[in-house]
Amino acid sequence: GQQVMQIPQYQHVQEGEDFTTYCNSSTTLSNIQWYKQRPGGHPVFLIQLVKSGEVKKQKRLTFQFGEAKKNSSLHITATQTTDVGTYFCAGRSIRGAQKLVFGQGTRLTINP
Amino acid sequence: KAGVTQTPRYLIKTRGQQVTLSCSPISGHRSVSWYQQTPGQGLQFLFEYFSETQRNKGNFPGRFSGRQFSNSRSEMNVSTLELGDSALYLCASSSPNKAGEQYFGPGTRLTVT
Repeated sequence: GQQVMQIPQYQHVQEGEDFTTYCNSSTTLSNIQWYKQRPGGHPVFLIQLVKSGEVKKQKRLTFQFGEAKKNSSLHITATQTTDVGTYFCAGRSIRGAQKLVFGQGTRLTINP
Repeated sequence: KAGVTQTPRYLIKTRGQQVTLSCSPISGHRSVSWYQQTPGQGLQFLFEYFSETQRNKGNFPGRFSGRQFSNSRSEMNVSTLELGDSALYLCASSSPNKAGEQYFGPGTRLTVT
């Protein structure tokens, strides 16, 4: 079945450093979504990418969707302590049941 | 608009018992999905309902079941609980106009002893 792999699993950075998490799907996706979950909280929708090669920005966050629509990345510039949490990607395959499959998440911790 | 609500927030059950969890979606949202979250397995999709019909189902045993009512509220049931069912159960709703965007509730923390 469809698998979504996310790396790294953990990332610890100094405040002000950049951070990137990568997401790879075993199948071509119709779209990809990104969520953030703060410690003790629930996932919160950040963004959805639909088009091949799409790039979207939200302040210090940059999201990319690969040309083949099988991979994606989230880059945070100049991290702040408020960025702490786990970032999940989630995608729906263009074939099959089209259920939303989540990556394992990247847990970001920041040293102030 | 009120967010997704889930009840109860915390639950402790013993092996062999059954449990029913409830989810009320955001007003106007007709799609409800359920996920199981554990430290080791991450977010695992359980099922998705739309207009009272199960649209998708994850790879969970038949002990896990769900349903959706005409007001879009949803319940999930787990029978014959096992220790491994201890997890955070999350419900998410989405709008027909923005099917990709899932809005999660705070979850129900289930502990099976």
